[in-house]
Amino acid sequence: DQQVKQNSPSLSVQEGRISILNCDYTNSMFDYFLWYKKYPAEGPTFLISISSIKDKNEDGRFTVFLNKSAKHLSLHIVPSQPGDSAVYFCAAPRESNYQLIWGAGTKLIIKP
Amino acid sequence: DGGITQSPKYLFRKEGQNVTLSCEQNLNHDAMYWYRQDPGQGLRLIYYSQIVNDFQKGDIAEGYSVSREKKESFPLTVTSAQKNPTAFYLCASSPNRGQGNQPQHFGDGTRLSIL
Repeated sequence: DQQVKQNSPSLSVQEGRISILNCDYTNSMFDYFLWYKKYPAEGPTFLISISSIKDKNEDGRFTVFLNKSAKHLSLHIVPSQPGDSAVYFCAAPRESNYQLIWGAGTKLIIKP
Repeated sequence: DGGITQSPKYLFRKEGQNVTLSCEQNLNHDAMYWYRQDPGQGLRLIYYSQIVNDFQKGDIAEGYSVSREKKESFPLTVTSAQKNPTAFYLCASSPNRGQGNQPQHFGDGTRLSIL
């Protein structure tokens, strides 16, 4: 039962261009979404979040968009930098116990 | 400098052996979590604890055990009953008893392998 899906295992983007990472979900009761970034052999670090009452949240180069009707969210990184190369996870709290359900991750590679 | 410390970074287990992974936090967080990550998969919750002396099973608790005797510490034991223990184990914590909109802070993980 994969309620949070990241269908692209990897994405390659030229440095300076926009990176768009996608996440789909199946449970319309999710009311909060989080994005985490993970480097190899390290734990994930929190990046940005969005509440379901909003459709956009911006923090510097990072913007998350939420389309509730499509049950889809996306993370935009602009401009992309070499240090952005990492695996990006989206996650949502389960309504029953608030524990996070995680997508499988998308590996972002920024090419020089 | 607050954070979460996991040890060891690499651990090897023989068949039939129990091993314990350490997780310590000095963030004064109430909630702590253990996750397992396998290649190509998201993080899966093993156990979580919202307060000292209390913990709940996550989605894949079979073959694992935990304790929460102190706020700062949440050790995970991988028992011999866990038939496929090779994975990357991540410990996390969050304030306010694990409310969903509180970002979790992670340690750097322990990679467990079977000899």
